[in-house]
Amino acid sequence: AQRVTQPEKLLSVFKGAPVELKCNYSYSGSPELFWYVQYSRQRLQLLLRHISRESIKGFTADLNKGETSFHLKKPFAQEEDSAMYYCALYEDSGYSTLTFGKGTMLLVSP
Amino acid sequence: ETGVTQSPTHLIKTRGQQVTLRCSSQSGHNTVSWYQQALGQGPQFIFQYYREEENGRGNFPPRFSGLQFPNYSSELNVNALELDDSALYLCASMRTLSTDTQYFGPGTRLTVL
Repeated sequence: AQRVTQPEKLLSVFKGAPVELKCNYSYSGSPELFWYVQYSRQRLQLLLRHISRESIKGFTADLNKGETSFHLKKPFAQEEDSAMYYCALYEDSGYSTLTFGKGTMLLVSP
Repeated sequence: ETGVTQSPTHLIKTRGQQVTLRCSSQSGHNTVSWYQQALGQGPQFIFQYYREEENGRGNFPPRFSGLQFPNYSSELNVNALELDDSALYLCASMRTLSTDTQYFGPGTRLTVL
């Protein structure tokens, strides 16, 4: 069965510091991975997906199939990046599902 | 384009009762999924509806059931509530099957006493 692991519940950094939110997955097929973000009092929203290889709000994530990882990175954290971040694995087996990790809370202090 | 809406925002029930949660999908979306998010956990897939039919279910018992209507609004029904059903319930709409982008509603917080 597919599984997504986010080993850190909380990551606390200072403004301007680099950020790396870890995500590891277990999946037998070709994975399609996403990062979702939830800002305080807001709904869950898509941040980025690996297939588009885009950079959103300065965040990037590279799929490493050898290490089964999809870590989220940003070179210089901003206070507005403080939020809950979820890594998710998409599967389409007749119906489309997302398997989420438990999430990592990112706190960026001034 | 309107976003996904859910009602009510909060709900308190007692063990053994039944509850109905509602979701209005984004305009033009014919597929909706429901997720349960327990405290400190990521969302967990309950089931998916496509064109008014359930077409996929996660590891949830039959007392979790749903409906999808022709206007693509949907309901999640939970019978015989248990304390462990206390969670945030999210619906997510998709333009159609096999699209990977899911748009989430704000959720309904259910507390079972």
